[in-house]
Amino acid sequence: DGGITQSPKYLFRKEGQNVTLSCEQNLNHDAMYWYRQDPGQGLRLIYYSQIVNDFQKGDIAEGYSVSREKKESFPLTVTSAQKNPTAFYLCASSTRGRPQHFGDGTRLSIL
Amino acid sequence: AQSVTQPDIHITVSEGASLELRCNYSYGATPYLFWYVQSPGQGLQLLLKYFSGDTLVQGIKGFEAEFKRSQSSFNLRKPSVHWSDAAEYFCAVGDTNFGNEKLTFGTGTRLTIIP
Repeated sequence: DGGITQSPKYLFRKEGQNVTLSCEQNLNHDAMYWYRQDPGQGLRLIYYSQIVNDFQKGDIAEGYSVSREKKESFPLTVTSAQKNPTAFYLCASSTRGRPQHFGDGTRLSIL
Repeated sequence: AQSVTQPDIHITVSEGASLELRCNYSYGATPYLFWYVQSPGQGLQLLLKYFSGDTLVQGIKGFEAEFKRSQSSFNLRKPSVHWSDAAEYFCAVGDTNFGNEKLTFGTGTRLTIIP
């Protein structure tokens, strides 16, 4: 079955450490997205990519970086510059004219 | 800039009772509108969408929503809730200039079902 796979489901980061969250889709979707979810704040867009080798900042891109070297993959790196990284991270994908389809998320915590 | 307001943070409904979750949006033109549902620790699942046409849209799991341009609203309804409907519900608006590439989400409404 087609879908979006996010890994790992739980991730722990030490202070000053970069961590990378994986997002892979086999839906042949062109666009991919990363959202951050905090309690009571809904989802906020971090980065999105409409085609390979191109991506745009969302509303809260500071302290994050992404790459889009393959259509299927859109990894998110949470850098040490992100001072409050504890959150639930959701990856989504879509194709033109169709709603976004979401993965099951990665919960990031600070040790 | 577009925005979405879900005025109810938490709603409690008895099983079998009717449900209405409120959503108001701010957008300059006719937007794309969505309702998603999220179970704890899971991703979001699309319930229904409005792009154009009939203002009453049917979705999965017996949900429906009505687009009211005059009230800038897109409220979600279900005539009889089931215990499995307990979850968090998010309304979202999409910028029609970008298709659905740029979604703005509301802060969500948590639904509790009591026996």
